[in-house]
Amino acid sequence: EDQVTQSPEALRLQEGESSSLNCSYTVSGLRGLFWYRQDPGKGPEFLFTLYSAGEEKEKERLKATLTKKESFLHITAPKPEDSATYLCAVHTSGTYKYIFGTGTRLKVLA
Amino acid sequence: DTAVSQTPKYLVTQMGNDKSIKCEQNLGHDTMYWYKQDSKKFLKIMFSYNNKELIINETVPNRFSPKSPDKAHLNLHINSLELGDSAVYFCASSQGQEQFFGPGTRLTVL
Repeated sequence: EDQVTQSPEALRLQEGESSSLNCSYTVSGLRGLFWYRQDPGKGPEFLFTLYSAGEEKEKERLKATLTKKESFLHITAPKPEDSATYLCAVHTSGTYKYIFGTGTRLKVLA
Repeated sequence: DTAVSQTPKYLVTQMGNDKSIKCEQNLGHDTMYWYKQDSKKFLKIMFSYNNKELIINETVPNRFSPKSPDKAHLNLHINSLELGDSAVYFCASSQGQEQFFGPGTRLTVL
């Protein structure tokens, strides 16, 4: 069964303290892996798409990487405004469905 | 300009009532979706339409019926509302694989 698991469930960082969020996936076929940011009371906001193992994408303090079994979202020197829930999703090639993980709630303290 | 909009933002209603949520996108995308996000923030796909044609229909009770009058609109009608229907419902659209989400409709069934 297609599955996406994110860890940790919650993460508290001091401002400037770099860390990584993990997204592990088991799918019959991967069309793409996506990272979204969700702020309280708002819809998910698209961040990155990764298509194949070894691919990396960067945007400001965020860098997403992909292997055949997992993806990491690296946050370098985070700021309080990076506080949000980060969602990982996969688009499967078998059923063309989008499957989301349960997210990592990130809190960055000033 | 709002890319994906939903109305209403909040909906409070009694058990047994029928209600609708409307969604519109001005991005020119061909595909639209409905998601349900439960209290644990898990985002699960319900339906997907491509050019007004239903392409994904997850295991959702028959009380939920999507309607797409044109490719810019995807509405969700819910009959005989139950307590377990309380959640945040998100509409999304895509042209490629990246999805763009609306702000969500918080449905509370009393």
